[in-house]
Amino acid sequence: GQNIDQPTEMTATEGAIVQINCTYQTSGFNGLFWYQQHAGEAPTFLSYNVLDGLEEKGRFSSFLSRSKGYSYLLLKELQMKDSASYLCAVQDSGAGSYQLTFGKGTKLSVIP
Amino acid sequence: SQTIHQWPATLVQPVGSPLSLECTVEGTSNPNLYWYRQAAGRGLQLLFYSVGIGQISSEVPQNLSASRPQDRQFILSSKKLLLSDSGFYLCAWSVSGNYGYTFGSGTRLTVV
Repeated sequence: GQNIDQPTEMTATEGAIVQINCTYQTSGFNGLFWYQQHAGEAPTFLSYNVLDGLEEKGRFSSFLSRSKGYSYLLLKELQMKDSASYLCAVQDSGAGSYQLTFGKGTKLSVIP
Repeated sequence: SQTIHQWPATLVQPVGSPLSLECTVEGTSNPNLYWYRQAAGRGLQLLFYSVGIGQISSEVPQNLSASRPQDRQFILSSKKLLLSDSGFYLCAWSVSGNYGYTFGSGTRLTVV
């Protein structure tokens, strides 16, 4: 089975940097994903990490440490439109269907 | 390009009534298909997944069922809805397995 933990809520100021942490315990690991979900909408893909290290994509970066079971999503130059829930998800290496198990999400509020 | 269609967008149904939600994928062959539910204050819960026509795996016991009558069609059904079936239902697909899912736009179901 898998257990994924991330903070429930965070608040940050427009223009600032925020880091959203995710820890996981899993019996098998085939990658970690971050999704963004605006209220009332479906999640959309942000990033994918399978090797240790930092992946940068514009204002968003994601970091993975497999030995620590730890990832973070870094959002720079925050904009009001970044207010959303951010979901951490782990893919099980033993699942032939490439299932993702999701954390409960971190609701980020960006304030002026 | 690949697209995923899910309907209806919103649904209000009385307790004890039947349910049928449909999801279709275009632009790809033999996708893995998934049904997730997101209840208020909870994370995404995997309900069913399918790796091929007629192949359905259930993750949680409940009064819901799924079917895959065609390669790119996935249907979620219930014979008698419960109040606890209310939630945001999301269909998703994947192919390569290493790049996560693409979600449909979701169906918000309210059982009254």
